[in-house]
Amino acid sequence: DAMVIQNPRYQVTQFGKPVTLSCSQTLNHNVMYWYQQKSSQAPKLLFHYYDKDFNNEADTPDNFQSRRPNTSFCFLDIRSPGLGDAAMYLCATSRDISYEQYFGPGTRLTVT
Amino acid sequence: QKEVEQNSGPLSVPEGAIASLNCTYSDRGSQSFFWYRQYSGKSPELIMSIYSNGDKEDGRFTAQLNKASQYVSLLIRDSQPSDSATYLCAAEGPSNTGKLIFGQGTTLQVKP
Repeated sequence: DAMVIQNPRYQVTQFGKPVTLSCSQTLNHNVMYWYQQKSSQAPKLLFHYYDKDFNNEADTPDNFQSRRPNTSFCFLDIRSPGLGDAAMYLCATSRDISYEQYFGPGTRLTVT
Repeated sequence: QKEVEQNSGPLSVPEGAIASLNCTYSDRGSQSFFWYRQYSGKSPELIMSIYSNGDKEDGRFTAQLNKASQYVSLLIRDSQPSDSATYLCAAEGPSNTGKLIFGQGTTLQVKP
């Protein structure tokens, strides 16, 4: 089945220790998104890639970076995680802009 | 600030009843609208998309869109306890950005 996969599903990191979350997709979608979702809040878009073009949201902290080495994979790097970065990180894909977005299962990040 | 508003609930309905979830949006330029279901601790799951005024039916779900009133709704017929979840309404953000503006979600409780 075509799908969006995220690894790891759970990640524990120490305050200030860099962490990388990964997302892969077998849907061959052009667009990949990274969202942050905290408890009882709506998902918040961090950035997205349209093919190789990177689009950062204005309010995304510099601490968050992303890479998309090929169509299938996208990574979220948090350079120096703070306690406030503990959240569910969601990867989503869509065939094109304005089309349906399909979410992966998410990575739950805990910062100690 | 472009917004999507939902009543946070909880909305409680008996099993077998119709659940009606409502959403309003502020950006008249939005053309695409989506309903996601999110179980506690899980990622959002797309259940309906709607792009044109009127109704769109898929199984027990019906999405309704009224662009003049800037109103989107989701009806769930024959509600089941397994429908108990948070329902997120999302509207397309600024054109050609791929950004979704999410509401805060409505929690639905279906009681046996």
